[in-house]
Amino acid sequence: QVQLVESGGGLVKPGGSLRLSCVASGFTFSGYYMSWIRQAPGKGLELVSYTSARSDNTGYADSVKGRFTISRDNAKNSLYLQMDSLRAEDTAMYYCVKDATKNGPDYWGQGTLVTVSS
Amino acid sequence: DVVMTQSPLSLSVTLGQPASISCRSSQSLVHSDGNTYLNWFHQRPGQSPRRLIYQVSNRDSGVPDRFSGSGSGTDFTLKISRVEAEDVGDYYCTQGTHWLTFGPGTKVDI
Repeated sequence: QVQLVESGGGLVKPGGSLRLSCVASGFTFSGYYMSWIRQAPGKGLELVSYTSARSDNTGYADSVKGRFTISRDNAKNSLYLQMDSLRAEDTAMYYCVKDATKNGPDYWGQGTLVTVSS
Repeated sequence: DVVMTQSPLSLSVTLGQPASISCRSSQSLVHSDGNTYLNWFHQRPGQSPRRLIYQVSNRDSGVPDRFSGSGSGTDFTLKISRVEAEDVGDYYCTQGTHWLTFGPGTKVDI
């Protein structure tokens, strides 16, 4: 069955950096778009970034453009999110999701919590 | 970005009774390929969201047939024919015709 397991979250000071990782299994990882979606505490959902199967098409929410970088390693079935210049408003649960294209994600990880606070 | 709105934002339901959630988009969700990419997700407390319906009315595998979706253009509805206890949680409409955006969510409790 499809599994997405995130890691790398934690407490970081404003202006700091974190790198989130997601290991996928149960499907042909190299054949699908992958994305990161976040949910601030008690709030709604926001698509943060996506990457195509071969990393030749990426996109970012305006709120993170220039600060976050999505990448993937198909040989390792892994998705990453490098987050720099973190702000308090980046505090959220970050979900690794499969195929967040037109039909929305069909599989979600359990999420990894990022807290930006001094 | 396309703004999604939902109503009501909170819904208290009775077991076995029907429930309905409305969703409206700020722009038409008809894609140039002719499809309408309006999807519904359900998030139980403490869990990750799960997709229920895609392209307005297509139920995902394993989703009970008491859930149905309808609508067109900018106005859409999710209906639960007979609410069960496991249906509590937050329901989100989302559009994928443009940059993926989500509605604010509707909290359903019993």
